[in-house]
Amino acid sequence: KQEVTQIPAALSVPEGENLVLNCSFTDSAIYNLQWFRQDPGKGLTSLLLIQSSQREQTSGRLNASLDKSSGRSTLYIAASQPGDSATYLCATSGTYKYIFGTGTRLKVLA
Amino acid sequence: NAGVTQTPKFQVLKTGQSMTLQCAQDMNHNSMYWYRQDPGMGLRLIYYSASEGTTDKGEVPNGYNVSRLNKREFSLRLESAAPSQTSVYFCASSETGSTEAFFGQGTRLTVV
Repeated sequence: KQEVTQIPAALSVPEGENLVLNCSFTDSAIYNLQWFRQDPGKGLTSLLLIQSSQREQTSGRLNASLDKSSGRSTLYIAASQPGDSATYLCATSGTYKYIFGTGTRLKVLA
Repeated sequence: NAGVTQTPKFQVLKTGQSMTLQCAQDMNHNSMYWYRQDPGMGLRLIYYSASEGTTDKGEVPNGYNVSRLNKREFSLRLESAAPSQTSVYFCASSETGSTEAFFGQGTRLTVV
């Protein structure tokens, strides 16, 4: 059974810092891995999708990497801003099964 | 482009009452999903519909029923609500079972 873990559960950083969020999974037989952002009381917004054949994806200040063999993905946020404060979730995709981690709650201090 | 739309956004039920959560997507996706999100437990899959006319149980289906009304709409029904069903419910859709998933804004349900 796939298990997805995100460490740390919470993180506070000063504005401008580069940071890395971690996601690990136990079963490497995935179709893709997706990173989401969730603001308090809101739904999930898709940030990046990495196909199983890819090693990384970039969107603006965000870069996500995937290492299936080690069961790890990282989300790199460059030059963090207070507006980046949110909970970040990763999810692995099997057939009709998106398995989520419990998220990292990020706070960027002005 | 609305994406995935859920109604209602908030609901309070008494124990034993029934209700249906509605979900509609306008992206012509084949697959739709219902998740619940609870503090410390992440999102858990309740039911999914791989394509129009099919539905399957997820991780936590007990106490729920679903209907894939057509390609656009996927509803979740609580026949007899229990306090343990207090949660935030999210509907999602994807083109297939392994492509990018898009989520609605959620329904916050409280059962008293």
